[in-house]
Amino acid sequence: QVTLRESGPALVKPTQTLTLTCTFSGFSLSTSGMCVTWIRQPPGKALEWLARIDWDDDKYYSTSLKTRLTISKDTSKNQVALTMTNMDPVDTATYYCARMLYNSRAFDIWGQGTMVTVSS
Amino acid sequence: QSALTQPRSVSGSPGQSVTISCTGTSSDIGGYNYVSWYQQHPGKAPKFMIYDVTKRPSGVPDRFSGSKSGNTASLTISGLQAEDEADYYCCSYAGSSIYVVFGGGTKLTVL
Repeated sequence: QVTLRESGPALVKPTQTLTLTCTFSGFSLSTSGMCVTWIRQPPGKALEWLARIDWDDDKYYSTSLKTRLTISKDTSKNQVALTMTNMDPVDTATYYCARMLYNSRAFDIWGQGTMVTVSS
Repeated sequence: QSALTQPRSVSGSPGQSVTISCTGTSSDIGGYNYVSWYQQHPGKAPKFMIYDVTKRPSGVPDRFSGSKSGNTASLTISGLQAEDEADYYCCSYAGSSIYVVFGGGTKLTVL
């Protein structure tokens, strides 16, 4: 059974750096075709794709946020981390990690999400 | 403003069919057969419903179907049931510089 779980702080202050961790099981990120992505959803708003890391360590970022994002993986721990610098109240959202299958570019398994509030 | 355009809301009675449209451009929906759809109930994570425009993952009822014509993709739900009431999001691959675009979401109300 494939599962993903996000963890990280619920509250960060403006200008701080956010670090989120996605811990997964049921698959290996060293297997060809496996990818993990981060997607966020501000309260009452639409989904927004943030970043992706592939089995071969290729990384991709949202054009609008790429200067603030870093994605990385620890294959031995089955974890993917996302850092976002210079947090702002508009970054308040639920952050999801999801598995993406490269062949379909679709997000087949999602974590439950973690709500992050940016406030002083 | 989302890259893909969806109607804000649609509604239908139990047993009826509804179709949710998702309009993009030739750089996303029109250029690739990588359209997917997600169902999201309030307070829950999105659920994977359709991929590769028309394919259903295991466990998704065959009442859900996807299609595409030009730059517009569609999700059709037939035989509406109360549990289908949710938000639905379309998503498309958008090439090697944008990568992924989502629609703004459509709220489906089962009357």
